Amino acid sequence: SAVISQKPSRDICQRGTSLTIQCQVDSQVTMMFWYRQQPGQSLTLIATANQGSEATYESGFVIDKFPISRPNLTFSTLTVSNMSPEDSSIYLCSVRTGGEGYTFGSGTRLTVV
Amino acid sequence: AQSVTQLDSQVPVFEEAPVELRCNYSSSVSVYLFWYVQYPNQGLQLLLKYLSGSTLVKGINGFEAEFNKSQTSFHLRKPSVHISDTAEYFCAVTPRGFNKFYFGSGTKLNVKP
Repeated sequence: SAVISQKPSRDICQRGTSLTIQCQVDSQVTMMFWYRQQPGQSLTLIATANQGSEATYESGFVIDKFPISRPNLTFSTLTVSNMSPEDSSIYLCSVRTGGEGYTFGSGTRLTVV
Repeated sequence: AQSVTQLDSQVPVFEEAPVELRCNYSSSVSVYLFWYVQYPNQGLQLLLKYLSGSTLVKGINGFEAEFNKSQTSFHLRKPSVHISDTAEYFCAVTPRGFNKFYFGSGTKLNVKP
């Protein structure tokens, strides 16, 4: 299965600033996904990112707040913009690795103060 | 619409005792079913998945799960737990033909010596 490197692993940010999270995969994948895990809650899909097209956002998530780039088949970034304390969460990227296999990154633990 | 319910938010158990983590789902279409484990400060790791065929699925680390279509359940079991099994466990479904996961709220398994 694919190996995902996600950076940074954690960060503490000031409200009003932005943070860009990187997701690097060791093999080419068509579909990459970004999830949010708020404290004490389960994972929620933010968006699906395919190379060469605009990301598809789930209900409740918008591009202005969570812009995503997908410049090639092994890399994606998620930016959390104009952060507030409510954005404090774990953000995870995930890739589909063939069949019905999905691999998750180790996550970025974001605290907004 | 799909939803996943994990009935127990926390399950304390003594080492070497058996454990069952419950998962029920609701879906208007056929789904694939998954169990993931999240160790502290780590990402999600796939324990096992049900795609088709035998309803009893064996996964890593001695875990197994049984798909019960009539009860729309996919409970996770282990006959004898270890301290190292202490983690949070997530049940998830994905509708067949789609790429979106619906996660349960998670069950924290706390194995005591």
